[in-house]
Amino acid sequence: GAGVSQSPSNKVTEKGKDVELRCDPISGHTALYWYRQSLGQGLEFLIYFQGNSAPDKSGLPSDRFSAERTGGSVSTLTIQRTQQEDSAVYLCASSFTGGGWETQYFGPGTRLLVL
Amino acid sequence: GNSVTQMEGPVTLSEEAFLTINCTYTATGYPSLFWYVQYPGEGLQLLLKATKADDKGSNKGFEATYRKETTSFHLEKGSVQVSDSAVYFCALKEARGGADGLTFGKGTHLIIQP
Repeated sequence: GAGVSQSPSNKVTEKGKDVELRCDPISGHTALYWYRQSLGQGLEFLIYFQGNSAPDKSGLPSDRFSAERTGGSVSTLTIQRTQQEDSAVYLCASSFTGGGWETQYFGPGTRLLVL
Repeated sequence: GNSVTQMEGPVTLSEEAFLTINCTYTATGYPSLFWYVQYPGEGLQLLLKATKADDKGSNKGFEATYRKETTSFHLEKGSVQVSDSAVYFCALKEARGGADGLTFGKGTHLIIQP
């Protein structure tokens, strides 16, 4: 079956512009996660969705970051007024129910470069 | 809070050498432990996991045992191959539910020379 897909695979933008990153999880997975992978910070957890609900948004780096999920499926991560420090690979993962023991399946990531 | 510490490398070995990548963790509860691998140009994929103390995860010749007394989950392989060259991430997740994501170590870059 299809894995987690993300789009775009690469995005170059100018400082101050808004960007939208998309994640399509594995069909039937109710849990969806966003992570950021950067040279300086390693892999950081950003936000988790159970269905369409995100119980805790404190992992988002700043109020310029927001995320939503609709229909219990596709999720978008939006970064407003991008800054150079937002440059990173943004990874999405999904799992069946979100249980602590479950395997999370990762997408290929979106590589964001802010000039 | 939770944290994972692993050797960062790069670790360079010859083919058929024995591999150990150390991983220790700090957690408030009873986490599940994971090793993920990222091959060059590819995405993160699960290598193995263990969900409770004394469990051993294994896959592709790699093994790791969940040691609660030493809060460790060291990755081992008896004879590495060039194809094992990749970045390896140790990670944990609290068993209480999905309200938080995986906590990752910084990653260990492994280079296997023929």
